[in-house]
Formats: sequence, C-alpha cells, structure tokens
Amino acid sequence: DTGVSQDPRHKITKRGQNVTFRCDPISEHNRLYWYRQTLGQGPEFLTYFQNEAQLEKSRLLSDRFSAERPKGSFSTLEIQRTEQGDSAMYLCASSLRQGAREKLFFGSGTQLSVL
Amino acid sequence: ILNVEQSPQSLHVQEGDSTNFTCSFPSSNFYALHWYRWETAKSPEALFVMTLNGDEKKKGRISATLNTKEGYSYLYIKGSQPEDSATYLCAFDNQGGKLIFGQGTELSVKP
Repeated sequence: DTGVSQDPRHKITKRGQNVTFRCDPISEHNRLYWYRQTLGQGPEFLTYFQNEAQLEKSRLLSDRFSAERPKGSFSTLEIQRTEQGDSAMYLCASSLRQGAREKLFFGSGTQLSVL
Repeated sequence: ILNVEQSPQSLHVQEGDSTNFTCSFPSSNFYALHWYRWETAKSPEALFVMTLNGDEKKKGRISATLNTKEGYSYLYIKGSQPEDSATYLCAFDNQGGKLIFGQGTELSVKP
C-alpha cells in the first residue's frame, strides 16, 4: 500500500466550471477527511466520512461543494460553478478510527487554480 | 468556534541552532493534540499524538510537551538541520470527529 493518493495533482479551470477531485485512502482506513488550505493558513476542515456515511460537513462550506464516498473506499469532492475564491490546495486524509486518537495520513493534495 | 493558534508564524534559524514554537488550544473538552510536519511538495506527516497532561514525546532531535490545563503545547528542535525546514502544524481534537488545525509555523534552517 502506497498511502493516500489524490488525483489530479493540479487543476486549472475557468470560473463557472465544475471540477471533481478523487481521493483513494489507505485501504483499511474507515475515516476519510477533506481539508482545504490556502497560503499562510492551516488546513481548514471541509467534511469527513466514516465508511460511506458523511458524518459532518463544515457550516462554512458553500452548497456548491459536495462530497461522496459511495462504497466506503475512494471519495470524490465536487465543486460546482467554481469561483476565484475556491483556489486552494485540497487535501485528503484517512485514519483508522479504532478508539480514536489516531493520526491522519495525508495525500499530496490537489492544487486548484480558478482563473 | 474553536481556535488553535501557533506562534511564531515563521522562523529563520542557522544550522545547529535549537528552536521551539508554541501551539495554543482550548483547555476545555480536550481529547488529543497532534503535531504534523509539512515539507514543500510533500504530504503532511504526523510527528506526535499527545493525550495526557504533562505528556512529553520525542522523535530524534524533535520533542514536544503538553499542558492541557492551560491549553498549550511546545515543539522543540535541537540542533536544527536544513532538512528540518518545513511548516509545523498542530491540530486539536475535542472528540468531535475532526481535527482543528493551527495556521502553522514555517521553519527555515540555513546551512
């Protein structure tokens, strides 16, 4: 197992277009998280899943953002009608939530640029 | 809104210097405090997960302490090396299901 993988690594899109990112977590991990990071800030929580159930979505998150994890394995994050303010690094992480306090394993991220 | 603060925001040191930075977090509903290292063009990587007041953890030249009653953690690097250059992130877990990250401390170590 090579860890958490994200695709694509980079995405450039025009304002108003829809984009979709994919995350493949470590296979035995049941928790999957999406974070967003902009320059000079720490990762900002977007949403997380336990298996296929989406347990929480940030209240700050626009309705243009949606995430799925249909079979409890890989996840997709879609942004509809992108805006320039959506430009950021989108990070996926997974963990094995047995008794909690488990560290997160991160992917390399998808860098989104909205022109 | 849970607030996690890190200081300083950035730090420039010479090779061989020892350094430390601070993470402040809410002192109520504490469950765990995480430290991650994020090198440029790589993924954030876990350093420590700390759970008990007074915890001290060590990994090579890097160590961390935890004070849950006053809500702070220190990360120390002894004899900094250029390969220690990275952003160091702390993250607070109140058992709410997610980690709340600070803004990070960017460390640059010059040879």
